[in-house]
Amino acid sequence: ETGVTQTPRHLVMGMTNKKSLKCEQHLGHNAMYWYKQSAKKPLELMFVYNFKEQTENNSVPSRFSPECPNSSHLFLHLHTLQPEDSALYLCASSPRAGSSGNTIYFGEGSWLTVV
Amino acid sequence: QQQVKQSPQSLIVQKGGISIINCAYENTAFDYFPWYQQFPGKGPALLIAIRPDVSEKKEGRFTISFNKSAKQFSLHIMDSQPGDSATYFCAASARSFGANSKLTFGKGITLSVRP
Repeated sequence: ETGVTQTPRHLVMGMTNKKSLKCEQHLGHNAMYWYKQSAKKPLELMFVYNFKEQTENNSVPSRFSPECPNSSHLFLHLHTLQPEDSALYLCASSPRAGSSGNTIYFGEGSWLTVV
Repeated sequence: QQQVKQSPQSLIVQKGGISIINCAYENTAFDYFPWYQQFPGKGPALLIAIRPDVSEKKEGRFTISFNKSAKQFSLHIMDSQPGDSATYFCAASARSFGANSKLTFGKGITLSVRP
């Protein structure tokens, strides 16, 4: 079993749909992250949660809404997305946020296509 | 503003050859420099990392060389194998950022090792 599990692995949604991405980590970490990965761009940090509290929102549009009910689970709620939001969304965890040198463990990602 | 820049953009190497990927950074406060490896369909995974108190770190066939004055670090893969074919990301973070410390990633480069 991988340390960070993401579902679904693939999602196709229309611009008026509402869907959610789910992430679960089995590593006992206290920090969880959402990253966006687009072709030929650096990994973009979207949100950071540390001990269930959001500590960073990297100017992400409100059509992306994160939820962290506990240190092991992280959701990304999606609504009224745009085609340019199509990308690989990576969830990650680390022992805690805000500590340089922390290894970040990534899930396998959820491929999102907005049509 | 891209704080971590990778070069080349892509790399093709023959089996048994040496793969060299370079990374330049701008922020002198950075003090942790990891390399992440990503295979198709998988999330990035930590490969090797270095702190600026040493100029080189070796783990198996993988070596990081660090040049503080030039603000550059590089990944060397000795005896490159087809199984090394992947996307490689350099990253950097700073302890001095405290609670705001987070990894800044480069764009990634695709390495192909020909049999």
